[in-house]
Amino acid sequence: DVKVTQSSRYLVKRTGEKVFLECVQDMDHENMFWYRQDPGLGLRLIYFSYDVKMKEKGDIPEGYSVSREKKERFSLILESASTNQTSMYLCASSQTGTRETQYFGPGTRLLVL
Amino acid sequence: GENVEQHPSTLSVQEGDSAVIKCTYSDSASNYFPWYKQELGKRPQLIIDIRSNVGEKKDQRIAVTLNKTAKHFSLHITETQPEDSAVYFCAAVASGGSYIPTFGRGTSLIVHP
Repeated sequence: DVKVTQSSRYLVKRTGEKVFLECVQDMDHENMFWYRQDPGLGLRLIYFSYDVKMKEKGDIPEGYSVSREKKERFSLILESASTNQTSMYLCASSQTGTRETQYFGPGTRLLVL
Repeated sequence: GENVEQHPSTLSVQEGDSAVIKCTYSDSASNYFPWYKQELGKRPQLIIDIRSNVGEKKDQRIAVTLNKTAKHFSLHITETQPEDSAVYFCAAVASGGSYIPTFGRGTSLIVHP
């Protein structure tokens, strides 16, 4: 069974702080993703990575950066947190091939004050 | 890029009724269509998927239909139960090309006992 874990379930930060969200998957998946989930807006892709040290911008990359130093780990960084980044952040992984099923982490609910 | 429209945004039914959620997509290269269910406070999980070489797929009380010509696909839930209450997301993926799913905005299904 694929397991995707995220470093925190809930996080409260102050405006201007640097925030790190970490995601780890244990199934040797090539692809990893960071989404933001807001009511009525669905799942919006922030960044994704298809290999170690590779990253691609998604639909809403502004204000975020990512790091993938190891295959199993994908980090999302908020360089200077702002109140409009208060949201639920979901990490996912998938295997390239015949099935592109996304396996999601439990999510991190971030509140920026 | 791909655009996925999902309707309705909210669906309220009585226990035992059927529920139908519809999605349309724009990119004819999309050939894999997964559906995810997200229960309150939990991660999205795949419940059923369909590939473009198949018109219909069924798994117990849930089924998915695909009309490639019209570029739409639907999720059908029969004999709904309170535990079916959740947010459902459709997605479209171009397998073999960009493997990045484009998600619909989600449908909140409420099943009243």
